[in-house]
Amino acid sequence: QITLKESGPTLVKPTQTLTLTCTFSGFSLSTSGVGVGWIRQPPGEALEWLALIFWDDDKRYSPSLKNRLTITKGTSKNQVVLTVTNMDPVDTATYYCAHRTSIGNLFDYWGQGTLVTVSP
Amino acid sequence: DIVMTQSPDSLAVSLGERATINCKSSQSVLYSSNNKNSLAWYQQKPGQPPKLLIYWASTRESGVPDRISGSGSGTDFTLTISSLQAEDVAVYYCQQYYSTPYTFGQGTKLEIK
Repeated sequence: QITLKESGPTLVKPTQTLTLTCTFSGFSLSTSGVGVGWIRQPPGEALEWLALIFWDDDKRYSPSLKNRLTITKGTSKNQVVLTVTNMDPVDTATYYCAHRTSIGNLFDYWGQGTLVTVSP
Repeated sequence: DIVMTQSPDSLAVSLGERATINCKSSQSVLYSSNNKNSLAWYQQKPGQPPKLLIYWASTRESGVPDRISGSGSGTDFTLTISSLQAEDVAVYYCQQYYSTPYTFGQGTKLEIK
């Protein structure tokens, strides 16, 4: 079955760069049509899509954060990495990685999420 | 960006009664190549990630009970729970996947009256 798990620091300081890793199983990011996305959710707030990487290394980013985001395939073939530069307290959120469905850019399997707090 | 607006923000319904949640997009999400609406619904329970319920506005994901249904087209969509069960208490989000950025609604909190 498909599983995903996010890992990375739980606390970062303002201006630092956040690096999160999504480790997945049950599918291959080399298979046509497959993608992995990142979505975040500030405490008590709504979901915000951040980035998506496809099997062919095509990438999509949220325009509002594009200059700060980088999504890449990891060194292990079952990992995807998201970096967010210049972190600010407003970036405090639970960050989720998720599997893109085969029919479009929506998400059918999600990790449990990792809460990242930005504080001095 | 396509703005997704849900209504109401919160809703309290008695067990066994119907719950209706609305989602409006700022522009049409009808995908002309297949005549389907690129609109999904998710359910999120406290402390859990979202769960995909509905895609193409009205297609239930595998395992989703048939008391949960989606409808609508163009810019106006509805999620209906025909007979509310205790396990349906959650926050519900719509999402458009027609164009980037893939935006979500602000969420509707569904509670038991």
